[in-house]
Amino acid sequence: NAGVTQTPKFQVLKTGQSMTLQCAQDMNHNSMYWYRQDPGMGLRLIYYSASEGTTDKGEVPNGYNVSRLNKREFSLRLESAAPSQTSVYFCASSVPGATNEKLFFGSGTQLSVL
Amino acid sequence: AQSVTQLGSHVSVSEGALVLLRCNYSSSVPPYLFWYVQYPNQGLQLLLKYTSAATLVKGINGFEAEFKKSETSFHLTKPSAHMSDAAEYFCAVSETGFQKLVFGTGTRLLVSP
Repeated sequence: NAGVTQTPKFQVLKTGQSMTLQCAQDMNHNSMYWYRQDPGMGLRLIYYSASEGTTDKGEVPNGYNVSRLNKREFSLRLESAAPSQTSVYFCASSVPGATNEKLFFGSGTQLSVL
Repeated sequence: AQSVTQLGSHVSVSEGALVLLRCNYSSSVPPYLFWYVQYPNQGLQLLLKYTSAATLVKGINGFEAEFKKSETSFHLTKPSAHMSDAAEYFCAVSETGFQKLVFGTGTRLLVSP
């Protein structure tokens, strides 16, 4: 049981390049989330997917797109990376049908945009 | 709008000393409150949560937190710090669900021998 798996763990991009962060969970969770973590700002929600086939914006969605490929996978895409998107990105999933229960986090992707 | 304030970006204690990490929240309705811990190069793990069942909540690794509505606080404590407790701790509040979960800015706990 791997939990929430994120790839890659590290990535360096040049301004304007694109990339996709991958996330997969094997816990049969309905809901999945993408957060970014910046020093002194805690975690901020970028996008979430309450269930397969649905996605919604979080607090800081600008510059990002997401795809809920199936129940297991939720990807985050940067179409044209900017230095302001330098951050640590976390994917998370939550227990099916139980709000306010528990979030399970991946180990993060450290992204640097030069 | 809900919000969370964590006082002190860094807290230093000696091994064996009391740990107190402060969290104050703002919410228009009875909230759900959480403490998460993040060890270096890892994702966040749930320490404990308050969901109105009891005001004193016990979590993993000997941590506990007390919900005080009159003070709008949810401070995290541990009677005796261990070196392995060194990590970053996040308080979070939600009124309706994880899609509306708001995190504090985090407190880094440093434990010295």
